[in-house]
Amino acid sequence: GESVGLHLPTLSVQEGDNSIINCAYSNSASDYFIWYKQESGKGPQFIIDIRSNMDKRQGQRVTVLLNKTVKHLSLQIAATQPGDSAVYFCAERWEGANNLFFGTGTRLTVIP
Amino acid sequence: DTAVSQTPKYLVTQMGNDKSIKCEQNLGHDTMYWYKQDSKKFLKIMFSYNNKELIINETVPNRFSPKSPDKAHLNLHINSLELGDSAVYFCASSPRMGGSEAFFGQGTRLTVV
Repeated sequence: GESVGLHLPTLSVQEGDNSIINCAYSNSASDYFIWYKQESGKGPQFIIDIRSNMDKRQGQRVTVLLNKTVKHLSLQIAATQPGDSAVYFCAERWEGANNLFFGTGTRLTVIP
Repeated sequence: DTAVSQTPKYLVTQMGNDKSIKCEQNLGHDTMYWYKQDSKKFLKIMFSYNNKELIINETVPNRFSPKSPDKAHLNLHINSLELGDSAVYFCASSPRMGGSEAFFGQGTRLTVV
């Protein structure tokens, strides 16, 4: 399953499938990006980050891809599990800024 | 051990009241933040605080004021509460300015009636 982030805030996938969550960020001068996962009733939790001098970074079951040309960030989750159901946010840090700016978020629902 | 803890988790209060939300981090981080999350889940930075340097988001009303008694604490005071202040408020901390790997608290759901 694949979302387009800001334009499709919900994504439903079958358990075991791969998920792709997309994010269009705002500032071409952003130098650092993070994906966060927020489960119901909890605060956002760090998943993976990537610096602007990289195109791809892999973690455990997750991969982040960065396309600076079109200001696009994606989070790929392999073999999606019910525990992956949450709202996912991309966040960017503008170069020289002191904090993160968050995108709208995408709600991922995993169907057992 | 809770890395970033906020109290209370829920807060219901009447318009016009003054309230505070407390935040403590035991990570030894230098920087703390307050974020506001609205009903559509949009997270917006309110304040960042590092070594006594306060950076304010200019869109935040001056009824909101952060207070840091020490590096491990950043409390949020809100005066003359309004209905529109209803939201979930998150405290966060990071090792240094710039928001890298910010760790979030569990949030405080504020409801103004």
